[in-house]
Amino acid sequence: DTGVSQDPRHKITKRGQNVTFRCDPISEHNRLYWYRQTLGQGPEFLTYFQNEAQLEKSRLLSDRFSAERPKGSFSTLEIQRTEQGDSAMYLCASSESGTGVNYGYTFGSGTRLTVV
Amino acid sequence: DQQVKQNSPSLSVQEGRISILNCDYTNSMFDYFLWYKKYPAEGPTFLISISSIKDKNEDGRFTVFLNKSAKHLSLHIVPSQPGDSAVYFCAASANNDMRFGAGTRLTVKP
Repeated sequence: DTGVSQDPRHKITKRGQNVTFRCDPISEHNRLYWYRQTLGQGPEFLTYFQNEAQLEKSRLLSDRFSAERPKGSFSTLEIQRTEQGDSAMYLCASSESGTGVNYGYTFGSGTRLTVV
Repeated sequence: DQQVKQNSPSLSVQEGRISILNCDYTNSMFDYFLWYKKYPAEGPTFLISISSIKDKNEDGRFTVFLNKSAKHLSLHIVPSQPGDSAVYFCAASANNDMRFGAGTRLTVKP
């Protein structure tokens, strides 16, 4: 297993365009998390899935953001009508149920979004 | 609301000496505390954790101390090595809600 994979690594988009990011977690991990990190800040929680069920969403996740994990494997995060304030590093992480907190999440390398 | 705070944005230590990174939290419901290490262009990597029922956890050169009454935890790295140079994030969790501090950039000079 190569760990958590995120695609693309970098995305530059014009304001108002829609973007979609993909995350492939570690195959035996049933929990998947999306975080956003801006310069000088730590990761901020956006949402998490247990298998295909989206169990929690942060208030940071406006109605322009949607995340899916249709078959409980990979996940996508879509941002509609992007704004300059959406520019950030979007991090995906995965963990096994019941062990994620003790042993930490496994993070991907992130997708850096720049909205121009 | 910043429930996890790392008040030192940077720390510089000499190789072989001790590095002490500090973290404060406000939510008494947090039951696990973790440290992550991040190199440029990579995601954070889990380093060490501690349950709220303990006050110390050690793993090789890394030790995390928890002072619940002060709502404070710290990470000690002894001896520090140049390869430890990275950004260190403190994180705290309650009911699968994990919050991160803003990070401390550690530089270990040879």
